[in-house]
Amino acid sequence: GDSVTQTEGLVTLTEGLPVMLNCTYQTIYSNPFLFWYVHYLNESPRLLLKSSTDNKRTEHQGFHATLHKSSSSFHLQKSSAQLSDSALYYCALIFYGGSGNKLIFGTGTLLSVKP
Amino acid sequence: GALVYQYPRRTICKSGTSMRMECQAVGFQATSVAWYRQSPQKTFELIALSTVNSAIKYEQNFTQEKFPISHPNLSFSSMTVLNAYLEDRGLYLCGARATGPGQLYFGEGSKLTVL
Repeated sequence: GDSVTQTEGLVTLTEGLPVMLNCTYQTIYSNPFLFWYVHYLNESPRLLLKSSTDNKRTEHQGFHATLHKSSSSFHLQKSSAQLSDSALYYCALIFYGGSGNKLIFGTGTLLSVKP
Repeated sequence: GALVYQYPRRTICKSGTSMRMECQAVGFQATSVAWYRQSPQKTFELIALSTVNSAIKYEQNFTQEKFPISHPNLSFSSMTVLNAYLEDRGLYLCGARATGPGQLYFGEGSKLTVL
């Protein structure tokens, strides 16, 4: 079935180091939309990045991701982690099929940035 | 901008009683509303997807009898957790989307505690 996999449950980094959070997906649909949502404690999840275009880099607030359909991946990256980046990050897959729309979240990765 | 207001933010209810939560979309027409539950230590589980002028589609393990949803217009949706028990604890989120593919706008969540 369709799924989103985030292999790391917890990523702990020292401030200033690069960030990479993994996201791979499985779907039978050829044109899925992939999203990264960030969820800070006591706030609502908000969209960080989105893409449906193969091999095109998308950037926002210092984070970037490129959808690679060949490897079914949409990894989230940032060149230098900041303390304020500590949050839960969810990768999500949204597609629109004949049988109805589908929205699937990964299990989430908790990013903890230390000084 | 597009916003989703969700209330109540927190509810404590006795086992066997019910809890109703509401979502209000502001600044866009919420053609589709997805209701999620984040149980302790778990990812977001999709409960159901409601699209205006279409039947509400419930995911496996969730039923209309337990989680009745109303989506009467393009700005409002509600969901009730009937006969809540301990396993229903968690953060319930609504995510609303306008027509066509695109991001979900999330409410801030309704945290349910069952005593």
